[in-house]
Amino acid sequence: KNEVEQSPQNLTAQEGEFITINCSYSVGISALHWLQQHPGGGIVSLFMLSSGKKKHGRLIATINIQEKHSSLHITASHPRDSAVYICAVSSEASGSRLTFGEGTQLTVNP
Amino acid sequence: NAGVTQTPKFRVLKTGQSMTLLCAQDMNHEYMYWYRQDPGMGLRLIHYSVGEGTTAKGEVPDGYNVSRLKKQNFLLGLESAAPSQTSVYFCASRAAREGRETQYFGPGTRLLVL
Repeated sequence: KNEVEQSPQNLTAQEGEFITINCSYSVGISALHWLQQHPGGGIVSLFMLSSGKKKHGRLIATINIQEKHSSLHITASHPRDSAVYICAVSSEASGSRLTFGEGTQLTVNP
Repeated sequence: NAGVTQTPKFRVLKTGQSMTLLCAQDMNHEYMYWYRQDPGMGLRLIHYSVGEGTTAKGEVPDGYNVSRLKKQNFLLGLESAAPSQTSVYFCASRAAREGRETQYFGPGTRLLVL
């Protein structure tokens, strides 16, 4: 079993829909990261969080430390949100290193 | 600032050939990483460095070597390329300070080993 599991693997939505991507992890963590990989391949960091909730524009990330679970929400989705969304954790054991989930491919149709 | 840059962007090698991938960052980051990304798998750590002159093995280090002679550069070497090393390689860097753990990624290098 991977240390970081994402669901779903693939997600197709219509423009305007509310989207949720889930991430579960099995180790004690110091922080959880959400990243976005554009169709061209570039990877950017969206959020880093260790508790609670963060919001940036239409993106919201939440984490429940007790349940070892995080969600990434996209409100009013748009075709430009189409990308791979990657969850990663830095654990107490790994220190400066990240362990990555396999990613969720999101396609938003107009 | 250019951020994190990688050279080359794309390369084709024959089995047994050697090459070096260069990663450069201009953010004065202490930590640097080399990852590979393969279809159906998450990013996997090859080697990393927590400072100039130091390197450490990651999850999949076999067949690769690294050097960090200057703080801003992190080199990944393939001494004898194998088809299993066909992949997309990403470099990343981050600051050492607690609370600054966000990693900044380069654009990637596509490597095809025939």
